[in-house]
Formats: sequence, C-alpha cells, structure tokens
Amino acid sequence: DAGVIQSPRHEVTEMGQEVTLRCKPISGHDYLFWYRQTMMRGLELLIYFNNNVPIDDSGMPEDRFSAKMPNASFSTLKIQPSEPRDSAVYFCASSLPGMTGELFFGEGSRLTVL
Amino acid sequence: AQSVTQLDSHVSVSEGTPVLLRCNYSSSYSPSLFWYVQHPNKGLQLLLKYTSAATLVKGINGFEAEFKKSETSFHLTKPSAHMSDAAEYFCVGRGGGNKLTFGTGTQLKVEL
Repeated sequence: DAGVIQSPRHEVTEMGQEVTLRCKPISGHDYLFWYRQTMMRGLELLIYFNNNVPIDDSGMPEDRFSAKMPNASFSTLKIQPSEPRDSAVYFCASSLPGMTGELFFGEGSRLTVL
Repeated sequence: AQSVTQLDSHVSVSEGTPVLLRCNYSSSYSPSLFWYVQHPNKGLQLLLKYTSAATLVKGINGFEAEFKKSETSFHLTKPSAHMSDAAEYFCVGRGGGNKLTFGTGTQLKVEL
C-alpha cells in the first residue's frame, strides 16, 4: 500500500487566497484525521471523520477553515481566506476500525501564507 | 481528562549509548499510550503502543517502553543509540473516545 497520500507537499500563497489541501487515506481505513503542526502549538487535531462523516470539528480554528470527505478515498481541507497565521504543516492521518490510537500519517503539506 | 507530559524537550546522547525519553501521564482511567517518531520533513510513525496487555512493550527499531502505573510513567528506552534514531519523539495518550493527546515532543540528538 502506498500509505496516506497528501498534496501538495508545499504551498506558498498570499494572504487572502484560497488554499485547498488534499488527502487520500489508506484503503480500508474508516477514520480520517486532520492535524496542524506548528512550533508554537505543537500538534493540534482540527477535525476527524468516521465513515466519511465529520465526528468532531471542535479543533477547527474558525469559519475560514472547512473540511469535507465526499467518499472513503478522498478528503479536503480548505482555508478561505488564508492568513499568515495559518502557516503550518498540515497532516492527514487514517486508522483502521477500532484502532484509532494507531494512526498512519501522510508526509504533510507545508503551507506558507505571505 | 487525559494528559501527557514529556519531561525533556531535548535529549543528546552519543552513538552506542542508551536512550531514555521520559513521559508521564495523567488519566482518570486506564489509558492507552503510544510513542510516535517524526523524522525531519516526515509524518509521524508509530513506534509502539500500550493497551494493558503487558507492561513492557517492545516496538520497532529496538525501542521499548514500560508502563508503570505507580509512577504514572511510560518512558521510552533503547539500549544503544544509532545515528538514524535522531528525530523527534512524541508520547501520546488516549483516554475515552477517539481523540489522542500528544505530548510536546522530545528532540533526540545522537552524536558520534
């Protein structure tokens, strides 16, 4: 298996622009998590899905952030409009049913907002 | 509530010497505990997990961790460090539900 696939790996954009990050989980995994990692705040859970349904989005910073999972093999995290404080590495992770402590992480999308 | 505390933000060892990365947890009930490793510019990778079956847990790459309830600790050890072990290590806890609590990370440096 190719593992969790994220794109783009790097994104540089200007403040106010829309950013879309993409994730393909491992086939057969029914949980999908979006995390953000910064030096200041470490790893933060933004949102997670189970069977394509958002279960907990309490970590989403504000209305500028939205996430969707239209099917079992694809999820997006969108920021509109982006701000410099959104600069971070965004990780997608997936896990098997009942194994939500054992996450498989993608390599991350490094976002820089100028 | 579940929380994990990593006691050292940076640890430096010489190649071939033992590694000890410390983690304490607090939980109102029996936790599931994990150690993850993150190499530069990579995602996190599971090293090992404790889920109450055995207090000494063996993981990948020669790492192991011991769950000590009396000390509320879950320290990560390795008998002999290798240069490739240089990375950031995260102690992670899960209480109830599916949300994990990540420690702040310990940066391990391995010197020749």
